[in-house]
Amino acid sequence: DQQVKQNSPSLSVQEGRISILNCDYTNSMFDYFLWYKKYPAEGPTFLISISSIKDKNEDGRFTVFLNKSAKHLSLHIVPSQPGDSAVYFCAAHNSGGSNYKLTFGKGTLLTVNP
Amino acid sequence: GAGVSQSPSNKVTEKGKDVELRCDPISGHTALYWYRQSLGQGLEFLIYFQGNSAPDKSGLPSDRFSAERTGGSVSTLTIQRTQQEDSAVYLCASSLVLLGNGELFFGEGSRLTVL
Repeated sequence: DQQVKQNSPSLSVQEGRISILNCDYTNSMFDYFLWYKKYPAEGPTFLISISSIKDKNEDGRFTVFLNKSAKHLSLHIVPSQPGDSAVYFCAAHNSGGSNYKLTFGKGTLLTVNP
Repeated sequence: GAGVSQSPSNKVTEKGKDVELRCDPISGHTALYWYRQSLGQGLEFLIYFQGNSAPDKSGLPSDRFSAERTGGSVSTLTIQRTQQEDSAVYLCASSLVLLGNGELFFGEGSRLTVL
């Protein structure tokens, strides 16, 4: 039972264009969402997060949008750069619960072509 | 180093053997987590520690898996009688406080291959 789904295994975009990575979740108790980025042979690194009390959070070229009614979030990268090529994981958490785990999606491989 | 350190980085073992994977978290981080990533899968939560205590072990896949943490620092994940389905990258992460803002600092992982 996958509670966090990233339905696109891969995405390819041209340098300078916008990259949009999508994530859906099924557990309505999730109220905190994060994106992690992973390069080959490295551990994931935190990128950006959003609380369910917001619908948008922006950090430089990265913006995360949250649509609670649709249980959907997306990560926008603009403009995309070749160094953004990596696997992006969406993760979710129930901050009011007693289990301290992040639930991750399977990831989306982003390739930004020069 | 300043980051989370894991060893070994690669381990190839024969089915039925025991393996130990080590994690050295960032100094001062009270919380430590183990995840694994099997081929084509997302990160699967295994266990977390608050200090030396692991309140919830339900994420461990079977009773062949165990983990401990000593001195509020180094943690060891032990897999007994390894099976081929245990092949995965085992990732350790730490955070200053338990989950906090969700920002976990991951190590580079230990790639386990069971032949």
